[in-house]
Amino acid sequence: SQQGEEDPQALSIQEGENATMNCSYKTSINNLQWYRQNSGRGLVHLILIRSNEREKHSGRLRVTLDTSKKSSSLLITASRAADTASYFCATDGGYGQNFVFGPGTRLSVLP
Amino acid sequence: AAGVIQSPRHLIKEKRETATLKCYPIPRHDTVYWYQQGPGQDPQFLISFYEKMQSDKGSIPDRFSAQQFSDYHSELNMSSLELGDSALYFCASSGGPRGSYEQYFGPGTRLTVT
Repeated sequence: SQQGEEDPQALSIQEGENATMNCSYKTSINNLQWYRQNSGRGLVHLILIRSNEREKHSGRLRVTLDTSKKSSSLLITASRAADTASYFCATDGGYGQNFVFGPGTRLSVLP
Repeated sequence: AAGVIQSPRHLIKEKRETATLKCYPIPRHDTVYWYQQGPGQDPQFLISFYEKMQSDKGSIPDRFSAQQFSDYHSELNMSSLELGDSALYFCASSGGPRGSYEQYFGPGTRLTVT
């Protein structure tokens, strides 16, 4: 089965710096989605990138997808303390395939 | 904008009891998904429904069942609860067949089994 795997598992940066998180998966996908989760709270959808897209932007977020390497990256620019959360990638193989989350990256942005 | 509603937000049950979790999707969303997230774990897909029919099945135990009703809300029924069932249970909804639309998550129900 396909599985998203985040890298790194934990990341600590200073406010204003950029944060890059990576995700790898194993099988073909229909789309890949990134979510944020504050401690013990619900998942917030950040961005969806389809398998035929290579890059997508949303505010301070930039997501890339390389289907040949089965990997994606999430870049948060000019980070803020409020960005402190866990970030998950989730792969969607389309109808009939499980929607699978990776283990998540815990991002700490220090003021 | 309306979001996914889950009830109850917190639930405490004893071993071997039953629990029912409810999920109300975003209006006009026809697909509902259930996830289980154990402490410090990533969310695990349990089951999904599209237009009131089961559309996909993940790692849902046989002790659990779920359904989607005519008003598109969904209920997850959990029987013979075990300590290991203690987790956050998320419901998500989307506006079309899975694979085509973003999933929007509810705040979760925290189930504690004692």
